[in-house]
Amino acid sequence: DAGITQSPRYKITETGRQVTLMCHQTWSHSYMFWYRQDLGHGLRLIYYSAAADITDKGEVPDGYVVSRSKTENFPLTLESATRSQTSVYFCASTDGGNEKLFFGSGTQLSVL
Amino acid sequence: EDKVVQSPLSLVVHEGDTVTLNCSYEVTNFRSLLWYKQEKKAPTFLFMLTSSGIEKKSGRLSSILDKKELFSILNITATQTGDSAIYLCAVDRYGGSQGNLIFGKGTKLSVKP
Repeated sequence: DAGITQSPRYKITETGRQVTLMCHQTWSHSYMFWYRQDLGHGLRLIYYSAAADITDKGEVPDGYVVSRSKTENFPLTLESATRSQTSVYFCASTDGGNEKLFFGSGTQLSVL
Repeated sequence: EDKVVQSPLSLVVHEGDTVTLNCSYEVTNFRSLLWYKQEKKAPTFLFMLTSSGIEKKSGRLSSILDKKELFSILNITATQTGDSAIYLCAVDRYGGSQGNLIFGKGTKLSVKP
């Protein structure tokens, strides 16, 4: 019963480095999302995908890149990490109804 | 600008107390309001509300929506230490992209033994 898994759980990197956060779901959900959670801001949508090879920007997409070559995977890449990208990142998925938005356990990223 | 405001931001109670968490919103094309509970890490779904005045209930938790006054409350009766968590309110909009929920900042509830 894997569900939705994120890796790594914790990551420390330096400014300017490229970092990729992984997200994998086993439900064959069409929709997948990346949120970031910061003190004082709550959860904010970075990117989402309605299906394989279909992605779109959310509220805070700058500095991030996503891809979705397979339905089950939705990696998030920080092309050149900045300190402002220090955050907890959550991946989520749904089969179409927002009430069934399932979240992964999160990746805590620190950019030094 | 669409926004969701939760209050209080934090709350400390003792076991057995009843608590009420508030969520107000200002959004265009409101579709639904959702409540999530976030313990260690991942938020988990509690309720989705679309119609005014209809209470949703699950055990000791209940929630209701007022679309005229633009708010929702989440009630927890006979609180237990396991209720300690961050409670998130989110709003979905018609015309918004799927999953593009607007979240409030959350209410951190601490239940003392």
